[in-house]
Amino acid sequence: GEDVEQSLFLSVREGDSSVINCTYTDSSSTYLYWYKQEPGAGLQLLTYIFSNMDMKQDQRLTVLLNKKDKHLSLRIADTQTGDSAIYFCAESSGIYNQGGKLIFGQGTELSVKP
Amino acid sequence: DTEVTQTPKHLVMGMTNKKSLKCEQHMGHRAMYWYKQKAKKPPELMFVYSYEKLSINESVPSRFSPECPNSSLLNLHLHALQPEDSALYLCASSRALEGETQYFGPGTRLLVL
Repeated sequence: GEDVEQSLFLSVREGDSSVINCTYTDSSSTYLYWYKQEPGAGLQLLTYIFSNMDMKQDQRLTVLLNKKDKHLSLRIADTQTGDSAIYFCAESSGIYNQGGKLIFGQGTELSVKP
Repeated sequence: DTEVTQTPKHLVMGMTNKKSLKCEQHMGHRAMYWYKQKAKKPPELMFVYSYEKLSINESVPSRFSPECPNSSLLNLHLHALQPEDSALYLCASSRALEGETQYFGPGTRLLVL
């Protein structure tokens, strides 16, 4: 079945760049998402990328997609303490009989040290 | 506006109580979802509604009963829950089922005593 994998922890210093990586197995993935979850909060959609794109940039966020290797990354430039959160990678096949299911990775806990 | 609201924020209930969680969106989305999330784990899909009809039930125990009274509202009725049901319950919505972005609410933190 489909699987999405992420490393569990990442620690960076304030002002550095953070890179969170994700690998997935479903070659029919249509959309790939990054969600951010702060402690005690719901999931906030950060950004998404369509599978026919290689890169998407949105202010401090850069998403890179390597479809051949089924590898997705999220780069956060100039990381701030407010970026400390759990980041979930998720993929959606977009196939009707999947019922719009999102397949989530385990989440990467980003810790930003001053 | 991409807001999904959920009430209550927190809920404490005994194992014999009956309570309900409520979710609302006014984005015109026709698909709505319930997820259960344990601490520092990814959300687990429970139910999916599409055009107010139940589309997916991920083998959820019958002590959880979803209801979609109209296209903007989604309820989750709780009865005779167990302590292991304590979790964050998240609601989400999307324009439609196929390949559409899901927007999440802030969740209801449930504690079952």
